[in-house]
Amino acid sequence: EIVLTQSPGTLSLSPGERATISCRASQTVRVIHLAWYQQKPGQAPRLLIHATSNRATGIPDRFSGSGSGTDFTLTITRVEPEDFAVYFCQQYSGTLPWTFGQGTKIEIK
Amino acid sequence: QLQESGPGLVKPSQTLSLTCRVAGDSIKNDGFYWNWIRQLPGKGLEWIAYIHSSGQTYYNPSLKSRISVSMDLSNNQFSLELSSVTAADAAVYYCARSSIIVESRYFASWGQGTLVTVSS
Repeated sequence: EIVLTQSPGTLSLSPGERATISCRASQTVRVIHLAWYQQKPGQAPRLLIHATSNRATGIPDRFSGSGSGTDFTLTITRVEPEDFAVYFCQQYSGTLPWTFGQGTKIEIK
Repeated sequence: QLQESGPGLVKPSQTLSLTCRVAGDSIKNDGFYWNWIRQLPGKGLEWIAYIHSSGQTYYNPSLKSRISVSMDLSNNQFSLELSSVTAADAAVYYCARSSIIVESRYFASWGQGTLVTVSS
């Protein structure tokens, strides 16, 4: 099983600041097999990014993803009020089971 | 859209049964996997299993001995059964769709989730 470890667990930011979330895999994940999701309270996760850096339909360009190998990053260039939520990375490689990181909460500072 | 349904309360040692009704797409479409995912209270997400229209299934090894997933093609829905539940199985259960294409197996569509409590 591929274990994904996110850091930090919580990010305290003010609107307009930059957010950077790390996702480290226990073994190499191909870039085409890494996704990011956003989850707000009481809602299902929403796909933000797939294949490491491809934004899903309707996702604003302040969200970007990067990385390769075992280290991946989600960046929000300027956090908007609606971006305060929990973010998860996920690998969907040929190595099942598919797994998620434990989540990073972006909270208002 | 996907919509989960099932009892919100299950007794310990009993079997949890959930159904995901799919609208706007056919589960006979052989281009998709139909998945179950759960979220333990205040914690992260755990992928449980998928089923394909061919009948192919894959179960998370951590739960494999207790789970079964099936499809009801006539009603365009699929189901999850989890046996011998304990308090550790209390969670929000989601159904979700993913493509069978290797580079597109992320979860693009999700149900709203259904909360399951385990208590006597």
